[in-house]
Amino acid sequence: EDKVVQSPLSLVVHEGDTVTLNCSYEVTNFRSLLWYKQEKKAPTFLFMLTSSGIEKKSGRLSSILDKKELSSILNITATQTGDSAIYLCAVVLGGGADGLTFGKGTHLIIQP
Amino acid sequence: SAVISQKPSRDICQRGTSLTIQCQVDSQVTMMFWYRQQPGQSLTLIATANQGSEATYESGFVIDKFPISRPNLTFSTLTVSNLSPEDSSIYLCSVVDGVPKQYFGPGTRLTVT
Repeated sequence: EDKVVQSPLSLVVHEGDTVTLNCSYEVTNFRSLLWYKQEKKAPTFLFMLTSSGIEKKSGRLSSILDKKELSSILNITATQTGDSAIYLCAVVLGGGADGLTFGKGTHLIIQP
Repeated sequence: SAVISQKPSRDICQRGTSLTIQCQVDSQVTMMFWYRQQPGQSLTLIATANQGSEATYESGFVIDKFPISRPNLTFSTLTVSNLSPEDSSIYLCSVVDGVPKQYFGPGTRLTVT
């Protein structure tokens, strides 16, 4: 059974701290891994990662996939209260099935 | 990226009734999906909405309970039938825009009383 595991499930830090969120996966026919930020209802797309191992960056956020360890990390530096959200990791499976398999998410709270 | 809208944004329904959710995209897309997010849970894929043919359902989801239509490349509906309190969830449609990135609609929050 395909599995995506995120850790920690919740995290409380102070504004300005750096956080690292983890995602590991055990899936057949891996294609890519996606990170999303969910604040209210709709997840918003952050990054897509493949087995190439190339790091993706956008402002204070960065992410990389370790294909040997079957895992990915999402880093947020100099956190702000607006970063408070649920961060979701999802895996795309190959073989023509493009639906996403999600982890449970990390609930990140940034305290002022 | 494609702009996705969903209607209604929220609804409160009585047990035993049905709710139909609409998903509209501002451009033609090849693949559309429907997800459910139960309270405190992550997203679970319900089905792939196929244009011109029957939807492809994931394990645990059946057509009688979640009929899906996709009459063209910009529109799909999900009906949640014979509602029970366990159906209270957020329902989201998503589209593939540059495989395999997926973008999500704003979601429909359903409460069943």
